[in-house]
Amino acid sequence: DSGVTQTPKHLITATGQRVTLRCSPRSGDLSVYWYQQSLDQGLQFLIQYYNGEERAKGNILERFSAQQFPDLHSELNLSSLELGDSALYFCASSEGTSGKGMDTQYFGPGTRLTVL
Amino acid sequence: AQSVAQPEDQVNVAEGNPLTVKCTYSVSGNPYLFWYVQYPNRGLQFLLKYITGDNLVKGSYGFEAEFNKSQTSFHLKKPSALVSDSALYFCAVRDKHSGYALNFGKGTSLLVTP
Repeated sequence: DSGVTQTPKHLITATGQRVTLRCSPRSGDLSVYWYQQSLDQGLQFLIQYYNGEERAKGNILERFSAQQFPDLHSELNLSSLELGDSALYFCASSEGTSGKGMDTQYFGPGTRLTVL
Repeated sequence: AQSVAQPEDQVNVAEGNPLTVKCTYSVSGNPYLFWYVQYPNRGLQFLLKYITGDNLVKGSYGFEAEFNKSQTSFHLKKPSALVSDSALYFCAVRDKHSGYALNFGKGTSLLVTP
């Protein structure tokens, strides 16, 4: 158990809909990262938050957004869903205090999104 | 860009034999390299990392990895494979241009047969 929790585990929805994925980082971790895992694209970085502020963006679509709340949990919002958005979405957390990437990212169990 | 490559889609090894899962990196500056393992329908579990120092890094579950700067490699090794080691293994590098997010290789499926 990494200490990172994600809900829900599974999500099935229809094209055009909007969903919200939730992540609670390990106790004390300030950084949260979101990744997408799909068969064709592999594991891709989406977005990072540090202590409530957006820190970096990866290959995140404009239809996707995220935020980190004062209690440090994070939510990933996916809207106008398309079939191709079906994937496993992971959240990872790290201490984030070194500022130089030496800390370890610990991953949650993921949310499997299926868009029908 | 900071990237890693895993040249093998699948590695097959008999139980009890040594195993190696290969990873090469392309990084400007000093690399921060990681290995993760993913079991079916599970999240990624951290195995080990290289930041600096000793080129041989020891990690969880008996795994180790050797950092080789001249060959730009970071191969994952285990002296004696177990059937339970069968899983998907990912090499990754921290990307200083993306908030130190992880750039992953495509993954190598390890199959250990009894």
